[in-house]
Amino acid sequence: GESVGLHLPTLSVQEGDNSIINCAYSNSASDYFIWYKQESGKGPQFIIDIRSNMDKRQGQRVTVLLNKTVKHLSLQIAATQPGDSAVYFCAEKGTNAGKSTFGDGTTLTVKP
Amino acid sequence: KAGVTQTPRYLIKTRGQQVTLSCSPISGHRSVSWYQQTPGQGLQFLFEYFSETQRNKGNFPGRFSGRQFSNSRSEMNVSTLELGDSALYLCASSATGFEQYFGPGTRLTVT
Repeated sequence: GESVGLHLPTLSVQEGDNSIINCAYSNSASDYFIWYKQESGKGPQFIIDIRSNMDKRQGQRVTVLLNKTVKHLSLQIAATQPGDSAVYFCAEKGTNAGKSTFGDGTTLTVKP
Repeated sequence: KAGVTQTPRYLIKTRGQQVTLSCSPISGHRSVSWYQQTPGQGLQFLFEYFSETQRNKGNFPGRFSGRQFSNSRSEMNVSTLELGDSALYLCASSATGFEQYFGPGTRLTVT
């Protein structure tokens, strides 16, 4: 079946540094990828998405890169701030739009 | 726009009981998906409803069921609760099924 995995369960960075969170997926038919941020006691919050016909997409302080050849995507956060501390999940959708398959999550800790 | 709301936020039930959780999506959104989140299994898809019809279903036993009303509000029901059903249950609403917005979740504890 399909699966989505993250390379590291935890990541610690210094405030102001850039963060890179990685994710690998297995389903070649995946068409749509999303990054979510989940803070303690809250539901996942949409950060940025990318479709399979794109390699890169930028948002405010965030960039998602998609490498379909090796089935890998990454989330880059520029100038990481303490408020960025959270668990980050990647998710993918195939043809079933309403169903997301989530990775295990990376806990990002930002040190002041 | 108001976000996704879920009620109740916390719930404690006993093994063998049943429970009903409610989700009100963002106004105008017709897709509601349900997920179970546990430390061991992560976020797992339960099912999705779109315009009152179940459009997708995950790999959960038949004890887990759901429905959606004409106003897009959705409920999920778990019958014959087991200890392993203790989890955070999240619902997500979407206009199309792609960009999903999650509610805060209902924390269910089964004792």
